[in-house]
Amino acid sequence: ETGVTQTPRHLVMGMTNKKSLKCEQHLGHNAMYWYKQSAKKPLELMFVYSLEERVENNSVPSRFSPECPNSSHLFLHLHTLQPEDSALYLCASSQDQMGASYNEQFFGPGTRLTVL
Amino acid sequence: GENVEQHPSTLSVQEGDSAVIKCTYSDSASNYFPWYKQELGKRPQLIIDIRSNVGEKKDQRIAVTLNKTAKHFSLHITETQPEDSAVYFCAASIGDSSYKLIFGSGTRLLVRP
Repeated sequence: ETGVTQTPRHLVMGMTNKKSLKCEQHLGHNAMYWYKQSAKKPLELMFVYSLEERVENNSVPSRFSPECPNSSHLFLHLHTLQPEDSALYLCASSQDQMGASYNEQFFGPGTRLTVL
Repeated sequence: GENVEQHPSTLSVQEGDSAVIKCTYSDSASNYFPWYKQELGKRPQLIIDIRSNVGEKKDQRIAVTLNKTAKHFSLHITETQPEDSAVYFCAASIGDSSYKLIFGSGTRLLVRP
């Protein structure tokens, strides 16, 4: 597989379930991101990891918990979600060069999450 | 807080015509402005970007202009084709962050054959 992959592609869960989304990048990048895409807010940044350290958390509810065990893998752990959390969750990666020019973010195909 | 506004939300043009999408941003420290294209059911992909040290950048039928004084930037697509139909997102960097982007709300472009 090349690029950025995400599993599962579709997920239906109840409000009491615990599930995890997985992202893997094969581009040798050192920064990874979680975005939420919904009709209300088309592309909303949730978390950023650079060099495996979380550097950005845009006040996302604690029912979303990210984990970045290494520079190629990123997880989003979900528990006690609400129906309004139903959305497409996109992972992205880039090569972060601190203090240097910005770099393209490559997106994964997303996980379509439905919370019942 | 930081904000990026994008207009129009939908745009329908005849094949061969030009399409223009406009964005405004609020953070005067923003210095990176990418544009992403998302086809139906697919992931967003970068199509062009511009940095604050230039006013215009062109890549074949696509061009982006930036007016830092007015905090405006625009995407121009000339000689539109049906395969240009997609949702287009503008974005602006937040301050001096090298990776934090704020996205606009998207423009759904339909190119009629």
